Amino acid sequence: SQKIEQNSEALNIQEGKTATLTCNYTNYSPAYLQWYRQDPGRGPVFLLLIRENEKEKRKERLKVTFDTTLKQSLFHITASQPADSATYLCALPSRDYKLSFGAGTTVTVRA
Amino acid sequence: GAVVSQHPSWVICKSGTSVKIECRSLDFQATTMFWYRQFPKQSLMLMATSNEGSKATYEQGVEKDKFLINHASLTLSTLTVTSAHPEDSSFYICSAKVTGLVQPQHFGDGTRLSIL
Repeated sequence: SQKIEQNSEALNIQEGKTATLTCNYTNYSPAYLQWYRQDPGRGPVFLLLIRENEKEKRKERLKVTFDTTLKQSLFHITASQPADSATYLCALPSRDYKLSFGAGTTVTVRA
Repeated sequence: GAVVSQHPSWVICKSGTSVKIECRSLDFQATTMFWYRQFPKQSLMLMATSNEGSKATYEQGVEKDKFLINHASLTLSTLTVTSAHPEDSSFYICSAKVTGLVQPQHFGDGTRLSIL
């Protein structure tokens, strides 16, 4: 099965700075990879999906990269705001498209 | 678009009670829905895959007689926790996948289940 590691449990960052989160996986490279945001007591909210043949994907202040050689995805939040404080989850599909999740990185943006 | 509604948001009930949780895709059809369980400070663990019109497939270690899944239509899946006990207390979350190979799953807002 796929082992997914997200770089750290918690990331504290000053408002306006860029937060960079890492997602590493160990086995086969999936056809795509997803990032979700989860707030306490809520379900995950889909943010971005990046395919294996895409190097980079952007959505507003969010940017995701996908390096199948390094088996790594980076997730960036630029010009971070306190409202960006949440847990961010990396998710990879298995060969039958079931999702496996990383443990998540909790981002706290301080004003 | 791609909204998933989960009901109820929270349930508190006595040990031995059966509890049903509904998951609906509001603006799209979902041939496949998923049920997850999440413990505090941990990530989501897949319990089962629900396929419209066929039996659910359960992950290893998940008791199918304890967690009954029904996917009667393209927009509704239900999870029934039968004869619930305190150890079944958890946060249950459903998701629905848009049809197509490379499509994201969209999640409901979860159900907090507390068994006394």
